[in-house]
Amino acid sequence: AQTVTQSQPEMSVQEAETVTLSCTYDTSENNYYLFWYKQPPSRQMILVIRQEAYKQQNATENRFSVNFQKAAKSFSLKISDSQLGDTAMYFCAFGGGSNYKLTFGKGTLLTVNP
Amino acid sequence: NAGVTQTPKFQVLKTGQSMTLQCAQDMNHNSMYWYRQDPGMGLRLIYYSASEGTTDKGEVPNGYNVSRLNKREFSLRLESAAPSQTSVYFCASSTGVINQPQHFGDGTRLSIL
Repeated sequence: AQTVTQSQPEMSVQEAETVTLSCTYDTSENNYYLFWYKQPPSRQMILVIRQEAYKQQNATENRFSVNFQKAAKSFSLKISDSQLGDTAMYFCAFGGGSNYKLTFGKGTLLTVNP
Repeated sequence: NAGVTQTPKFQVLKTGQSMTLQCAQDMNHNSMYWYRQDPGMGLRLIYYSASEGTTDKGEVPNGYNVSRLNKREFSLRLESAAPSQTSVYFCASSTGVINQPQHFGDGTRLSIL
């Protein structure tokens, strides 16, 4: 079974600064995908970014980028130029193997301060 | 463009009552999922349906039943609600291919007194 660990329950950052959220995972699969989801106070689950394990190039979506270290089984999310609207719970998720399920971490609550 | 629709959005039940949470998706997705979200626990999978006609237990299935009514709809039933089932419930759907993300409904906040 896969496990996903987010070691930072809460983080805060000043507006316009950069913050990195950590995620590690454990798996014996070779073919898998990793996702970051954002859950703002509205409670919606919004996909932020995804990374294919077979790709060495780190995924980037505007101000959001990942640092994917496959050997270390690490998948951190970097948010540049933080905005007040980035305040949310962020979940790291693993999807792999022959099943159709995602395994989620427990989340990191990010607060962006003005 | 509705995506995944859950009803109701809020519900209060008494211990022992039953209820069904409804979920429908309009994206022609094969796979559907039910999660519960509790503080400090992330999202935990209750049941999932990889394709129409199949259902499987997830991490925390006890006290719940599901029905994949058709390709669009996937319901979650609490037969005899318990206070430990107080939670926020999310339905999600996906194509079933692992590189595709799951799309989530807006959640149902369920309180059991």
